[in-house]
Amino acid sequence: DQQVKQNSPSLSVQEGRISILNCDYTNSMFDYFLWYKKYPAEGPTFLISISSIKDKNEDGRFTVFLNKSAKHLSLHIVPSQPGDSAVYFCAASANNAGNMLTFGGGTRLMVKP
Amino acid sequence: EAGVTQFPSHSVIEKGQTVTLRCDPISGHDNLYWYRRVMGKEIKFLLHFVKESKQDESGMPNNRFLAERTGGTYSTLKVQPAELEDSGVYFCASSPGAWAEQFFGPGTRLTVL
Repeated sequence: DQQVKQNSPSLSVQEGRISILNCDYTNSMFDYFLWYKKYPAEGPTFLISISSIKDKNEDGRFTVFLNKSAKHLSLHIVPSQPGDSAVYFCAASANNAGNMLTFGGGTRLMVKP
Repeated sequence: EAGVTQFPSHSVIEKGQTVTLRCDPISGHDNLYWYRRVMGKEIKFLLHFVKESKQDESGMPNNRFLAERTGGTYSTLKVQPAELEDSGVYFCASSPGAWAEQFFGPGTRLTVL
């Protein structure tokens, strides 16, 4: 039973345009959400996070939006760059479960020059 | 500052053999986590150490898996005996505090033939 889902396995975007990666969750106990970026043969690298008390968090070209009522979050990258091409994982944690991260299946982003 | 390191990077063993994976966390990080990703699926939590104590091992699949963190520094994950379904990438992560960002190692790719 997957509690965090990324329904798009891949996304292709033109350089300079906006990339929007989506993530849905089912566990209402999740209160902290993260996005990780992963290049081949490397481990996931933390990108940006958001607490459930917020609905938006911005860091440079990256913005994460959280819609708690819809149990949905999204990562916006603007403008997209070829170096952003990687697999992006959405992850969530719950205060009553320590800091265990529950990951989605990942979305492969390809930014074309 | 050195990141999380894992050894070996790749291990190929036959079904029924034993394999031991090692993780060296970032110096000073009390929290150490093991995750694994099998065949392109989501990354799944295995267990969480705080120093040398197992805080949460709810994700360990069965008793063929044994994790240790003697002295609260590096950790080992032993699979004995290995089965075909154990193939995947095993990630280790560490964090300075329970609610801090987790830093991931590059992973060990385990192939069981």
